[in-house]
Amino acid sequence: NAGVTQTPKFQVLKTGQSMTLQCAQDMNHNSMYWYRQDPGMGLRLIYYSASEGTTDKGEVPNGYNVSRLNKREFSLRLESAAPSQTSVYFCASSEEVGGDSNQPQHFGDGTRLSIL
Amino acid sequence: SQQGEEDPQALSIQEGENATMNCSYKTSINNLQWYRQNSGRGLVHLILIRSNEREKHSGRLRVTLDTSKKSSSLLITASRAADTASYFCATGPLGAGSYQLTFGKGTKLSVIP
Repeated sequence: NAGVTQTPKFQVLKTGQSMTLQCAQDMNHNSMYWYRQDPGMGLRLIYYSASEGTTDKGEVPNGYNVSRLNKREFSLRLESAAPSQTSVYFCASSEEVGGDSNQPQHFGDGTRLSIL
Repeated sequence: SQQGEEDPQALSIQEGENATMNCSYKTSINNLQWYRQNSGRGLVHLILIRSNEREKHSGRLRVTLDTSKKSSSLLITASRAADTASYFCATGPLGAGSYQLTFGKGTKLSVIP
């Protein structure tokens, strides 16, 4: 039972390059999330997908796009990477219970991204 | 912007001692959650306490919630070296259909064997 799987684990990009971070969950959860974590900061929400076919902006969406490919997969794309996007990116998933959407989230182990 | 703020930022204790971490928040909440993050890993959910609950236990963990003071505490009893990690509180806002948890900056706990 893998839970939430993120690929790649590490990546180094040059300014202006593009890349897609992949995330897949095997828990049949409806909701998925992308966060970034910077030193001394908590997690900040970039985008989330409440259910298959929907996506919404979080706190820091600028410079990113997302695709909810199917129920299992939620990808994050950087179209033109900037040094300010150097961070650790986490994907998470959760399941709404009894109409309550603020349920425990299950996290992957992150993608460490450096932009030079 | 950060909703939860943990205190202290860092805590160092001896194995066997108790560790207490606090979290304060600003707006009304649906629930409050605590997570643990080991170095180089993702966050792991520990416990969820709803706004109408005052205390919750899970093994060596005890969480309290005081909505009048907008604060919560996480107590880890009889700490072990394996408890060394960063601990984050996260708040779920009021309102149906809100999926956004807001995380604090965390408390870094070091348990010395």
